[in-house]
Amino acid sequence: DAKTTQPPSMDCAEGRAANLPCNHSTISGNEYVYWYRQIHSQGPQYIIHGLKNNETNEMASLIITEDRKSSTLILPHATLRDTAVYYCIVRVVSNTGKLIFGQGTTLQVKP
Amino acid sequence: DVKVTQSSRYLVKRTGEKVFLECVQDMDHENMFWYRQDPGLGLRLIYFSYDVKMKEKGDIPEGYSVSREKKERFSLILESASTNQTSMYLCASNYQNTEAFFGQGTRLTVV
Repeated sequence: DAKTTQPPSMDCAEGRAANLPCNHSTISGNEYVYWYRQIHSQGPQYIIHGLKNNETNEMASLIITEDRKSSTLILPHATLRDTAVYYCIVRVVSNTGKLIFGQGTTLQVKP
Repeated sequence: DVKVTQSSRYLVKRTGEKVFLECVQDMDHENMFWYRQDPGLGLRLIYFSYDVKMKEKGDIPEGYSVSREKKERFSLILESASTNQTSMYLCASNYQNTEAFFGQGTRLTVV
């Protein structure tokens, strides 16, 4: 599975959009981009995933560049409850469903 | 509401004890995983199982074993607990490439 690079930390003002970048320059054609987050003292929670098209759900939007070498997770109106560690994971879809986590980005939403 | 349940939230064991961490999922998922999480090291995969009685080593299997006798239950076993196994342990499950669901975690302290 391809390696990802994320900034270690970011701040965002409450109510503003939070844009979390992820670099995955070695991604191959059959690898998906997944985003999870982990709120303090809880297990990670799935947010969204995509292959090459932009995706949106009730939690967030995922923008993947045309060359697929990077992506951005967008939380459109960040709240204090969005303070968490956000993980970008790239992996091949397979029966084992294995997830390998990197260090992630700690997002601090400030009032 | 889908659930991954870990048997204990907090556990204190003595060095040399045999420790069992239990995980049960109610989603009929084929895949189940055990991770440990330590400050500065992120989530690291210990073992995973893609079917009953099937298991594969993750990135850090040393000192651990697993058991999957029934589809819904995946046990992590510390044969002889050591202080360097003090950690947060997280169980997860999924079906193929679908989102993974995590338990709340077990914070194990070995004294």
